[in-house]
Amino acid sequence: NAGVTQTPKFQVLKTGQSMTLQCAQDMNHNSMYWYRQDPGMGLRLIYYSASEGTTDKGEVPNGYNVSRLNKREFSLRLESAAPSQTSVYFCASSAPGDRSEKLFFGSGTQLSVL
Amino acid sequence: LAKTTQPISMDSYEGQEVNITCSHNNIATNDYITWYQQFPSQGPRFIIQGYKTKVTNEVASLFIPADRKSSTLSLPRVSLSDTAVYYCLVVNSGSARQLTFGSGTQLTVLP
Repeated sequence: NAGVTQTPKFQVLKTGQSMTLQCAQDMNHNSMYWYRQDPGMGLRLIYYSASEGTTDKGEVPNGYNVSRLNKREFSLRLESAAPSQTSVYFCASSAPGDRSEKLFFGSGTQLSVL
Repeated sequence: LAKTTQPISMDSYEGQEVNITCSHNNIATNDYITWYQQFPSQGPRFIIQGYKTKVTNEVASLFIPADRKSSTLSLPRVSLSDTAVYYCLVVNSGSARQLTFGSGTQLTVLP
């Protein structure tokens, strides 16, 4: 059981370049999330998707776009990367109908923007 | 959502029991107390969740007093591999989109 899979694991971009981070889950979860984690800090929510076809902004959405391609996949796109977007990005999903929202995380993407 | 407060860091030695306390004075009736563990270069991992009294699983125990304004994560006989950041969160159905992972508690287990 793979759980939440993120690709790539590492990426280096130049300022202004674009890229898409991919995330897929095989647990039949309705909700999916993108977080970023800066060194020594907790996670901050970028975007989330409560169900297929819906997306909403989180705490730090500026500079990002997302696509909920289907129930399994939720991608995060940086249109014009900036050094401030250097971070570790985590995708997560949560179980449907759960009274208490347990999140399952992927292993992360380390992104450096030069 | 209820705000949580937990120590920034703790040190322990192998074989000891570690207790990490979290305060959540504004917890609501429908909220559950949830703890996550994060190792370096990995995503957080759910370890335990409870509503009241005591919950135990193969990894940890969670103690919640009657007023639910605080909770204590107990790790029995820690080993070096338990060195990680531990996050305390208060959650309910539909609240994951509002969850804020604070800085957590950095637990360092020493030999």
